[in-house]
Parts: sequence; structure tokens; C-alpha cells
Amino acid sequence: AQSVAQPEDQVNVAEGNPLTVKCTYSVSGNPYLFWYVQYPNRGLQFLLKYITGDNLVKGSYGFEAEFNKSQTSFHLKKPSALVSDSALYFCAGGDTGTASKLTFGTGTRLQVTL
Amino acid sequence: GAVVSQHPSWVICKSGTSVKIECRSLDFQATTMFWYRQFPKQSLMLMATSNEGSKATYEQGVEKDKFLINHASLTLSTLTVTSAHPEDSSFYICSVNRGGTEAFFGQGTRLTVV
Repeated sequence: AQSVAQPEDQVNVAEGNPLTVKCTYSVSGNPYLFWYVQYPNRGLQFLLKYITGDNLVKGSYGFEAEFNKSQTSFHLKKPSALVSDSALYFCAGGDTGTASKLTFGTGTRLQVTL
Repeated sequence: GAVVSQHPSWVICKSGTSVKIECRSLDFQATTMFWYRQFPKQSLMLMATSNEGSKATYEQGVEKDKFLINHASLTLSTLTVTSAHPEDSSFYICSVNRGGTEAFFGQGTRLTVV
């Protein structure tokens, strides 16, 4: 069984500042972790994934995430936030590396202000 | 990447009627598709795995007679919400996995039952 937790319902950050959206996971085997972004009334868009390899994963739109095995975390980061980054972000875990049957966190709403 | 199209984007129906939602994989023949449900301000929950040419696999707690899934071709899966009630109002999203490590999501269907 696996679970994914996003401890923050909302994150507020000023444009130009770095942002972090937190995610922790609990899996019984190798973790396969993903980040998705959702804009209002839209489906999910893939940002990045960790399957194996380097702990720092770079993804779309300047986002990156750091896999930390000891802390069982996979926090999403961006060095400089944009207002257009404001959206709902989901962390997800897969039971295999194929991104099937994903278990999602509860989502974190990112609000970037001028 | 794979393009997944859902139709309709939104639908309003009367209580007691049935609604069909289509999920099409436009550039990939998908033997498996996934249906998720998202309640307001909540995360996505996997409802079922749609298998081409065979019965869908439902997650625990999902009524298979309520949510009929048909995957008659490699590019189309349909979800029919039968005898819809207001509590079925939700955002329904399908996804396709191309056998790789990334899931592609449809744009979602917002169902409102009045």
C-alpha cells in the first residue's frame, strides 16, 4: 500500500521569490513519484517524475523536485515564482514506474502574487 | 506526448437520468485507461481501470452498476453514470498510459446533477 501526503492546503508566495510545495510519501517498495499541475476546470498536466537515478529531477516550466529517501519527501521547487504558476499542484505515487493507478495527495493550491 | 480528449467538458443533467462521458486516446492505442473522480477541493480518486475488450476493474467502494465502463476499442473508453443523483456531481477525469512512465490526462468532465 502506498500513500502520498501534501501537508499544506495552500502556499502563498510573491512573484520572483522561490517556492516550495511539500510532498511526503509512504510506499512499500521502490517509490515512483510524480508532480502534476491542474488549472481550473482542466485536466492534469505532467510536470516531472522520479523513477530512479538522480535525486534532483528537473521538469517543465522551470520546476524541479528533490527526492529525499531518508525524509521520504519529494518537494516541488522553483527558484523564481511567476503569477502564472498559480494553480493546484498534486503529488502522486505510482505502484509501478508506468504511472498507472496513481495515488494522489490532496493537492496544494499555489497562489503567486505581485 | 499522447493526446487524450474527453467529451463533454461539462454536463448538467436531471436526477435519475444517465450520462455518458467519453475518453479518447487520439494518437495512441490504449489497452488500458483509467477513470478518476475529483470532489470539490479534494484530490483525485481512482475509480476504475478500463480494459479494452474485457470488464473494467473497479476500486473498492465504487459501484460497478452505477458507473458503467465500456472500452470497446483501443481509442475509446466510456463512463456512464446511471441514474445520476446530486451526490454524483463531480469532476471526472480519464488518463492514458502509453506504457512509459507518464500518464496523460483528459481535460476532465464536470458533471452537475440537479
